[in-house]
Amino acid sequence: AQKVTQAQTEISVVEKEDVTLDCVYETRDTTYYLFWYKQPPSGELVFLIRRNSFDEQNEISGRYSWNFQKSTSSFNFTITASQVVDSAVYFCALSVVNNFNKFYFGSGTKLNVKP
Amino acid sequence: DARVTQTPRHKVTEMGQEVTMRCQPILGHNTVFWYRQTMMQGLELLAYFRNRAPLDDSGMPKDRFSAEMPDATLATLKIQPSEPRDSAVYFCASGLVLGPANTGELFFGEGSRLTVL
Repeated sequence: AQKVTQAQTEISVVEKEDVTLDCVYETRDTTYYLFWYKQPPSGELVFLIRRNSFDEQNEISGRYSWNFQKSTSSFNFTITASQVVDSAVYFCALSVVNNFNKFYFGSGTKLNVKP
Repeated sequence: DARVTQTPRHKVTEMGQEVTMRCQPILGHNTVFWYRQTMMQGLELLAYFRNRAPLDDSGMPKDRFSAEMPDATLATLKIQPSEPRDSAVYFCASGLVLGPANTGELFFGEGSRLTVL
């Protein structure tokens, strides 16, 4: 069975703090993809990053960075020097090739960045 | 700028009425997903199409919900009869699967907010 767990329901930080959003996934398949999406208050889900199971390199994009560790089945997301505009719900998702590439979403983490 | 388009954006209806939500996927995408988002359940997968064929609709209440893709440019989700518990935001998403090990990201529409009174 496939599952994505985002244990942090809600996080509040003060602007300029660093914050890490946790994502733990479960799958027995060896070929899969991991994703992060942002859902701002406007409601639309915005794609942030895609990673496949064979690429464990960490990635940095501006203030965003992602740490993929297969050994712990985790794909954590760090925002450095957070800003108020980062306030949103963030979803982690898993897509498994042997299950018709279905997407499984975590329950989301709501990030509140206060000025 | 290619986008997934959903209509209506908002719908208020009375219990028992039929509701149809429409989605225009991004041209060239071969997968379409319907998700329902509520505070309690998060993002629930309702239906999934690839190349217009339904691959999975196990998450959808079969007695009242139906999903179709009459052509590559249109996906529909229908609820008949609607109930208050169907109130939620319904998202359509499209993506491209190029091969067994090449899954692209999903692009989401803005959602259809349904309120059933």
